[in-house]
Amino acid sequence: AQKVTQAQTEISVVEKEDVTLDCVYETRDTTYYLFWYKQPPSGELVFLIRRNSFDEQNEISGRYSWNFQKSTSSFNFTITASQVVDSAVYFCALLNSNSGYALNFGKGTSLLVTP
Amino acid sequence: GAGVSQTPSNKVTEKGKYVELRCDPISGHTALYWYRQSLGQGPEFLIYFQGTGAADDSGLPNDRFFAVRPEGSVSTLKIQRTERGDSAVYLCASSFQPGIGETQYFGPGTRLLVL
Repeated sequence: AQKVTQAQTEISVVEKEDVTLDCVYETRDTTYYLFWYKQPPSGELVFLIRRNSFDEQNEISGRYSWNFQKSTSSFNFTITASQVVDSAVYFCALLNSNSGYALNFGKGTSLLVTP
Repeated sequence: GAGVSQTPSNKVTEKGKYVELRCDPISGHTALYWYRQSLGQGPEFLIYFQGTGAADDSGLPNDRFFAVRPEGSVSTLKIQRTERGDSAVYLCASSFQPGIGETQYFGPGTRLLVL
């Protein structure tokens, strides 16, 4: 079975706070890919990052960073110094050979950043 | 360059009617995907095209749903005898080529409301 769990349904922070969005996945495959997408109120899913199962290096892109830990099957996303424009729903997704080419999404975490 | 486009952006129809939703992928992308997103949920896979053929339609909920991609570019998702439960956002995505390592880029979606 494969599954993506985003336990945090909603998070509210004040601007400039750091916030971490959790993602836990289940898969029996050794080769798989993990993704994060952002869905602002406009509705379009915006691609943020793709990580394959063989690369456990953490990644930083500006205020965004990702922590991939195979030992705990987690792929967490941190926003540093959050801004109001970060307000959106964030989805973690898993892609592996069992799912064919279908992204398996979590239920998403709604992030609200207030001034 | 232009992203994935979808038309219409919103569609209101009555129960029992037929609807068509259109997706225009990123130019040069050979793989195209349809997903459905219900309120408060992550997107769920419907069907995937590689070129003109449907390579995986395992996510289509029943035979009222059908999709085509006759020339390997634009795709149309067709829903017959619509039901209120079909109300959702229908998202289209494309990737440069098929493969589990490929990033899927999403369009803005079509919001379907069945009255």
